[in-house]
Amino acid sequence: GENVEQHPSTLSVQEGDSAVIKCTYSDSASNYFPWYKQELGKRPQLIIDIRSNVGEKKDQRIAVTLNKTAKHFSLHITETQPEDSAVYFCAASIYSGGSNYKLTFGKGTLLTVNP
Amino acid sequence: DSGVTQTPKHLITATGQRVTLRCSPRSGDLSVYWYQQSLDQGLQFLIQYYNGEERAKGNILERFSAQQFPDLHSELNLSSLELGDSALYFCASSPQTGRNIQYFGAGTRLSVL
Repeated sequence: GENVEQHPSTLSVQEGDSAVIKCTYSDSASNYFPWYKQELGKRPQLIIDIRSNVGEKKDQRIAVTLNKTAKHFSLHITETQPEDSAVYFCAASIYSGGSNYKLTFGKGTLLTVNP
Repeated sequence: DSGVTQTPKHLITATGQRVTLRCSPRSGDLSVYWYQQSLDQGLQFLIQYYNGEERAKGNILERFSAQQFPDLHSELNLSSLELGDSALYFCASSPQTGRNIQYFGAGTRLSVL
């Protein structure tokens, strides 16, 4: 089955710096890659996603890049703020027909933004 | 608020017991997914239902079972509970369009003592 590796497991940056989180996936059939942010004790919330027919997508201070050949994708957060502190999860989805959209998650990155 | 409702928020029980977790998906969503989140394992996919039928299975133990009812709410049944089953259990739902945006509920925190 699909396997998603995520690095680093923890990341500490100063406010205003950029943060980059990287993920690799194993199954070349994966075609949808969302990123979720989870604050302590809260639910995971989708912050950005990318499909396999696109190489990059931006939404204000966050962007995601995808390299299908290398099977890796990355989350970039610019001008980090203390409220960006959370656990970030990448995921890969294999569409297996009908309505099957099983998400395989990476193990998460704890991002701490120091004021 | 994602529109996905999970009850109860917290559950404390003893080893060997059985519990039922409940999930109501967003209005109009036919797919429901169950995930287990523990400190050392991250978010683990358990099972997916679509319009009442099981569609995908992950690392779900035989002691666990789920179903989706005609009104589309879903229940996850956990039996013969062990200490290691203590975790956050999330339910998510998604629409039928191409993008697989999964919206998560607030989760049920299960503590097995």
